[in-house]
Amino acid sequence: EADIYQTPRYLVIGTGKKITLECSQTMGHDKMYWYQQDPGMELHLIHYSYGVNSTEKGDLSSESTVSRIRTEHFPLTLESARPSHTSQYLCATAGQGVRGGYTFGSGTRLTVV
Amino acid sequence: DAKTTQPNSMESNEEEPVHLPCNHSTISGTDYIHWYRQLPSQGPEYVIHGLTSNVNNRMASLAIAEDRKSSTLILHRATLRDAAVYYCIGIQGAQKLVFGQGTRLTINP
Repeated sequence: EADIYQTPRYLVIGTGKKITLECSQTMGHDKMYWYQQDPGMELHLIHYSYGVNSTEKGDLSSESTVSRIRTEHFPLTLESARPSHTSQYLCATAGQGVRGGYTFGSGTRLTVV
Repeated sequence: DAKTTQPNSMESNEEEPVHLPCNHSTISGTDYIHWYRQLPSQGPEYVIHGLTSNVNNRMASLAIAEDRKSSTLILHRATLRDAAVYYCIGIQGAQKLVFGQGTRLTINP
C-alpha cells in the first residue's frame, strides 16, 4: 500500500506542450523531493521543499518548476516540453529526523516526441 | 554529506549471503549511513540505516566499521528478487539524499 502517489505513470507528449507531473503523499511529511533519472543512470535531485511555500532548486539544473501550496502535494511543471526532458521523474518524502528513511513514489516516465 | 565509494557491480548465487561494501572515509561524526535499493523500473526503496552500531531489520543487516570509514550491507539469503542497484549514502539529519552510481547486484539462480 503506497503512501506516496505519482501520476501519470507514463506520459508521451509532443514538443512545446505544458505538462504537470503530480506527486501526493498521505504521511503529513514536510520534506518532499523531485529526482530525475535517465535509463541506467544515477538519480539527480532537481527540486526539494521543506514545507508549505518553501521550494529550492536541487543539484542538477532543471527547466522545470515546482510549487508547494499544500503539505500533501508537490507538483512539477514543464511549461514547454522538449525531447531533452525525456526521462524518469521520481518524487520522495521524508519525515522528521532519519527514522524510517525516505519514501519514493513509483515515478513518471516522460517521453517528449 | 559524506562521499561514498561502492563497487560498480557484484554477482552472487541464490540462497547465499551477499556482502555489499561501501567506503565513506570522509564521513563526519553525525552522518548516518543509509542504504537504498532500486529494482528495475521502480523508485528507490529504503533498506536500512545506522550511525555507529550494527543494525538489523527484516530486509538486511548493516555492519559499520569501528572507525566508521566503511560499512557492509548484508543480505543473509539472497533471492532473485534482491537483484537491484544498491546505494550507500552518507547523510546528516533529514537532509537531501545524494545518490552515487551504486552497486548493481546480480543474483544467479
